[in-house]
Formats: sequence, C-alpha cells, structure tokens
Amino acid sequence: DVKVTQSSRYLVKRTGEKVFLECVQDMDHENMFWYRQDPGLGLRLIYFSYDVKMKEKGDIPEGYSVSREKKERFSLILESASTNQTSMYLCASRPDRWEAFFGQGTRLTVV
Amino acid sequence: GNSVTQMEGPVTLSEEAFLTINCTYTATGYPSLFWYVQYPGEGLQLLLKATKADDKGSNKGFEATYRKETTSFHLEKGSVQVSDSAVYFCALSTPVGSARQLTFGSGTQLTVLP
Repeated sequence: DVKVTQSSRYLVKRTGEKVFLECVQDMDHENMFWYRQDPGLGLRLIYFSYDVKMKEKGDIPEGYSVSREKKERFSLILESASTNQTSMYLCASRPDRWEAFFGQGTRLTVV
Repeated sequence: GNSVTQMEGPVTLSEEAFLTINCTYTATGYPSLFWYVQYPGEGLQLLLKATKADDKGSNKGFEATYRKETTSFHLEKGSVQVSDSAVYFCALSTPVGSARQLTFGSGTQLTVLP
C-alpha cells in the first residue's frame, strides 16, 4: 500500500513563528502536493512539486514556501505564522497519471 | 481550464436510504474521474475511479459511471449506513501534461442517521 505520512496530526504555534510541516511518501512518486482545507472552501492547492528541487505555485502560495531536497520528502514552510493560516493541511503524492494518495492531515492552530 | 461542480450539501439521510451525489465536470482532453471520501479528522481516501467513458467504478457498495455525453460522474449507493457519514469529493485528472491537472470539487457532507 502507498503510504503518505505527515509528521504531525495536531500542531499549535504562536504568531510569527516559523513552522515546518513535513510529508514523506514511500512509492517513488514524481509529484507531491500541499493543500489546505477550510470549511466552505474545499481543497485549495498551495504548492506542488513535480521533481526534486522543482516546485510550482498553486492557487494560494502567499505566506508559504516549500522544499523538496529528496524525492520522497516535501516540506511546507510557513515563514511567519499568522492566525489566518490556522487550517487543516493535507499532503498528497501521485505518479504522472491516476489518483493521488493523501496523508492523514495536520491540523494547525496559530495563536 | 478544468473544473468540477458538485452537489451542494449537507445531505442528511436515514439509514438504508438511497444516495445520489451529483458531479459534473469540464475538462480539456480525456480526463480520469475519481471519488474521494474523507472521514472526520482524516485525510482523503480514494473511493472509486473511472478512466474512460462508460467505465463504472465501484467500491464498498458505491458506484459511479463515467458519462462523457453529459460530462457527469454521479455517486450512488443503494442503501447507506451510519458509517458512510463523511465528506465526499469528486475529482478529475487529465492524462500527462502538468501535474497540476488534478482538480477537486468543493465536497459534499453526508450525514446518515440511524
């Protein structure tokens, strides 16, 4: 079975902190994604990566950056956390075709 | 660009009722279509998929048929259970090209009452 693992299920951070969300997949997929999910807004793509060190902005990249130094790991970085970044964050990976596989999600609260 | 439109929720049904969640799409090329399910506090799980016109995806009693003529992929289940309570997402991907071409609907919350 494909496994996508996010480093934390729940996280509480203070405003202004630098926050790292980690995601690891074990199926050698080329593509990895970070989404945020908010009530009434569905899934919104923040960033994705289609290869090591390659990244592209999604629909809402402001306030975020990403890092992909190894194929299996894709990190989302909140440079200076703000309360409007309180959300559920979902990581996914997929090969070039077919379905995406999701991690269990990280519920981030910024206080 | 690609888009997916899902029936707005929330949907509340009694146990053993028939379920339909409508999904229509617009896409360039020949997309693959998916239904994902998200249980409370969890990530998304693939429920079923169809990769070409007239294909029927099925899993756990859920079914959806890829209808190219109506650009639809409606989710159905003949008899829902309390354990089916979750959020359901319709999605599409277009083969090859940008990895960005994975588009989700807004999700439909289903609650099944005993």
